[in-house]
Amino acid sequence: KQEVTQIPAALSVPEGENLVLNCSFTDSAIYNLQWFRQDPGKGLTSLLLIQSSQREQTSGRLNASLDKSSGRSTLYIAASQPGDSATYLCAVRGEYNFNKFYFGSGTKLNVKP
Amino acid sequence: NAGVTQTPKFQVLKTGQSMTLQCAQDMNHNSMYWYRQDPGMGLRLIYYSASEGTTDKGEVPNGYNVSRLNKREFSLRLESAAPSQTSVYFCASSEATGVRYGYTFGSGTRLTVV
Repeated sequence: KQEVTQIPAALSVPEGENLVLNCSFTDSAIYNLQWFRQDPGKGLTSLLLIQSSQREQTSGRLNASLDKSSGRSTLYIAASQPGDSATYLCAVRGEYNFNKFYFGSGTKLNVKP
Repeated sequence: NAGVTQTPKFQVLKTGQSMTLQCAQDMNHNSMYWYRQDPGMGLRLIYYSASEGTTDKGEVPNGYNVSRLNKREFSLRLESAAPSQTSVYFCASSEATGVRYGYTFGSGTRLTVV
């Protein structure tokens, strides 16, 4: 069974810092990997989607990388802002069962002004 | 606005009561999902529907039933609510046949069973 782990569980940084969130998965047979943001009491908002054939995706200050063979993805946030404070989750989609997404438990990010 | 709509947003039930959570999407997605989110346990799949007319169990289906009413709507029913079903429930949809796409989530239903 696919297991997805996110480290650290919580992170607190001063505003302006560049930071990296980590996501690891045990089964490299994935179709794609998706990063989400969740604000307190809200639903999940999709940030970036990386196909298994891709190495990275960029959107504004966010850059997600994927190393499928080693079972790792990172989400890089440049010049962090207090508005970036949220929980970030990654999810992988199985290569052989497109209807199964496996979620990590998330990294709770706090960006201090 | 295009997206996934869930109702209700909040609900309090007494143990043993039943209720149905509603979900509708207007993106013409084939696949729809129900998740529950609990502190420290992340998101867990309850049921999913790969296409209209089909439903399958996820990780934690016990105590729940689902109905894929049509392509747009996927409902989750609690027949006899238990305190262990206190959680936040999320509906999501995805275009599974075009698998390059990911999930779109609803805003959630916060359910408390007392």
